[in-house]
Amino acid sequence: AQSVTQPDIHITVSEGASLELRCNYSYGATPYLFWYVQSPGQGLQLLLKYFSGDTLVQGIKGFEAEFKRSQSSFNLRKPSVHWSDAAEYFCAVGAPTSGTYKYIFGTGTRLKVLA
Amino acid sequence: DVKVTQSSRYLVKRTGEKVFLECVQDMDHENMFWYRQDPGLGLRLIYFSYDVKMKEKGDIPEGYSVSREKKERFSLILESASTNQTSMYLCASRLGDRLNTEAFFGQGTRLTVV
Repeated sequence: AQSVTQPDIHITVSEGASLELRCNYSYGATPYLFWYVQSPGQGLQLLLKYFSGDTLVQGIKGFEAEFKRSQSSFNLRKPSVHWSDAAEYFCAVGAPTSGTYKYIFGTGTRLKVLA
Repeated sequence: DVKVTQSSRYLVKRTGEKVFLECVQDMDHENMFWYRQDPGLGLRLIYFSYDVKMKEKGDIPEGYSVSREKKERFSLILESASTNQTSMYLCASRLGDRLNTEAFFGQGTRLTVV
């Protein structure tokens, strides 16, 4: 069965420090992978997505993610975190289902940024 | 600007009540989804619809039903609300059945059942 694991429930970093959020997936075929961000009191916003091609994907707000098939991972990175990046981050894999595709989400990682 | 609108940000309902959560999108999207979000569990799919009047069960459909009479509107119905349905509910829509199109989410409805 398809699944997504985000092993870190909470992460705290200082403003200006680098960030890496981990995501591991289980999927039989070539995965469609996503990272979404949820700011407090808001819905989810797409940061970036991977379907094929270059394994390093650039997204919005200075984020990037690298797809590593051998490790079944799709980790999210940012070289320098800003206070406004404090939010919850969700990794997801797309899976075919009746008539369309659905997203299977991980349990999320809540990021806290120290001034 | 694309928009998915959920009719209520906060709702408080009593046990046993029939509850309607409404979601409207203005992007002419075929696919619409209802998720519930709980701490430590992430987002779990309740129901989805890939066309008008079409509906499919997601991973946790028990205790819920849905209605999609018009393309732009997707309603989630709690037939008889229970306290374990206290949660954040998120609606999403997506154009077509291709994964390379972005899903857009509403701001969520925080439902409390007392």
